[in-house]
Amino acid sequence: AQSVSQHNHHVILSEAASLELGCNYSYGGTVNLFWYVQYPGQHLQLLLKYFSGDPLVKGIKGFEAEFIKSKFSFNLRKPSVQWSDTAEYFCAASGAGSYQLTFGKGTKLSVIP
Amino acid sequence: SQTIHQWPATLVQPVGSPLSLECTVEGTSNPNLYWYRQAAGRGLQLLFYSVGIGQISSEVPQNLSASRPQDRQFILSSKKLLLSDSGFYLCAWRSGATNEQFFGPGTRLTVL
Repeated sequence: AQSVSQHNHHVILSEAASLELGCNYSYGGTVNLFWYVQYPGQHLQLLLKYFSGDPLVKGIKGFEAEFIKSKFSFNLRKPSVQWSDTAEYFCAASGAGSYQLTFGKGTKLSVIP
Repeated sequence: SQTIHQWPATLVQPVGSPLSLECTVEGTSNPNLYWYRQAAGRGLQLLFYSVGIGQISSEVPQNLSASRPQDRQFILSSKKLLLSDSGFYLCAWRSGATNEQFFGPGTRLTVL
C-alpha cells in the first residue's frame, strides 16, 4: 500500500536557522511528490511539487526539496527560516495519473524570533 | 481563476443529529472532488472522492456519506453524528493537467 512518512512531529527552530523536514514515501511506479503548507488560520496551499526532470525543486518563499529516488525521499529545505514560516507542513505523494494523494501526518514548525 | 468554497466554516452539533457540509468549485468544469478529514497529528485522511456527477468512491468505512448532485458541488453528510466525527473537514479539487489538488478553507465540526 502507498504510504508517506514524515519523520518529525514538531520542530522548533530559532530565526535564521536552517530547516530540513524529512519525507519518505512508499510507492510502486512513477510518483508525483508535493509539499503543502498550512499557516495558522489559512488554507492548505502548495509549496512545491515534483513530477519529473530536475530532482531539485524550488518552491515559493525560498523553500526547495530534493527528490532522491534511491532513498525514496523528498526532503524539504530552507537555508534560513523566518518567524512567518511557522506553520504545519505536509508531504504528499501520488502515483502518476492517479486520482488520489496520500499525505504524511504533517510536521509542525515553530520558529522562535 | 478557480475558487473553492466550503460552508459552514464552523459547526457545533449534538450527538445523533444529521450533518450536511457543502463544497462548491467555481471556474472549472468536471473537476475531481475530494473530502478529507484532518486530525491533529494524523495528517489528512481521504474520505471520499468523485470523478463525476453521481460517482462517489469511499476510501474509509465511516459514519459519513457523500453526494455529488451537480458538476461543481460536493456534499458530505451523516444521518447521525458520533463524537468521533469531530474534526476539520477539507474539500479539494484536482487539476487534471498537473495532478495538483487545491483545498478549500475547511469546516471545523464539533460534536458534543
